Amino acid sequence: SYVLTQPPSVSVAPGQTARITCGGNNIGSKSVHWYQQKPGQAPVLVVYDDSDRPSGIPERFSGSNSGNTATLTISRVEAGDEADYYCQVWDSSSDHQVFGGGTKLTVL
Amino acid sequence: EVQLVESGGGLVQPGGSLRLSCAASGFTFSSYSMNWVRQAPGKGLEWVSYISSSSSTIYYADSVKGRFTISRDNAKNSLYLQMNSLRAEDTAVYYCARGVRGVISPFDYWGQGTLVTVSS
Repeated sequence: SYVLTQPPSVSVAPGQTARITCGGNNIGSKSVHWYQQKPGQAPVLVVYDDSDRPSGIPERFSGSNSGNTATLTISRVEAGDEADYYCQVWDSSSDHQVFGGGTKLTVL
Repeated sequence: EVQLVESGGGLVQPGGSLRLSCAASGFTFSSYSMNWVRQAPGKGLEWVSYISSSSSTIYYADSVKGRFTISRDNAKNSLYLQMNSLRAEDTAVYYCARGVRGVISPFDYWGQGTLVTVSS
């Protein structure tokens, strides 16, 4: 089955740029979606189809996808960005949705 | 305003059954695919099942295939998950989530979740 690998944690100072990676075999050929989840809350879609943003999501959130790695980039990080972030793809070979293990973003 | 409200969670013994519901409002329910996603305590997200807008296409995660059944009633704007032969490892918060389009779609709206606890 298809596996998505995320770093367990990423730390960044306020105002800096956070990059959260999502690794998968030839993930560049798939559409990657990213979710933010704060404690006790449901996930929120922040980037879809590799690099598009839903309405209401700040431009500070962006995404890219190439080769074996997709990346969620959060510019000018704020304290309110502290959360768990998950990547997701559809694996057509197994007919399964697949989530990465999640990355905890800590704002120092 | 799009709203998804799950219900039906609770405490159930191993081997027991439970039926979750998800009431949808604020959009044309019959036009969207739907999914169930769960999250065990302190763990990450795990996709459980997918159903297309017309119920013609259904998929399950390997961990629940043969035990869980997804269904929908477009006339009632409702999504369901029938869970049988429950195990301790099924303990989780269960979310319903709307798919923007077919299987490749992101999940653009999520409910607040309902907790299922499987324990004796």
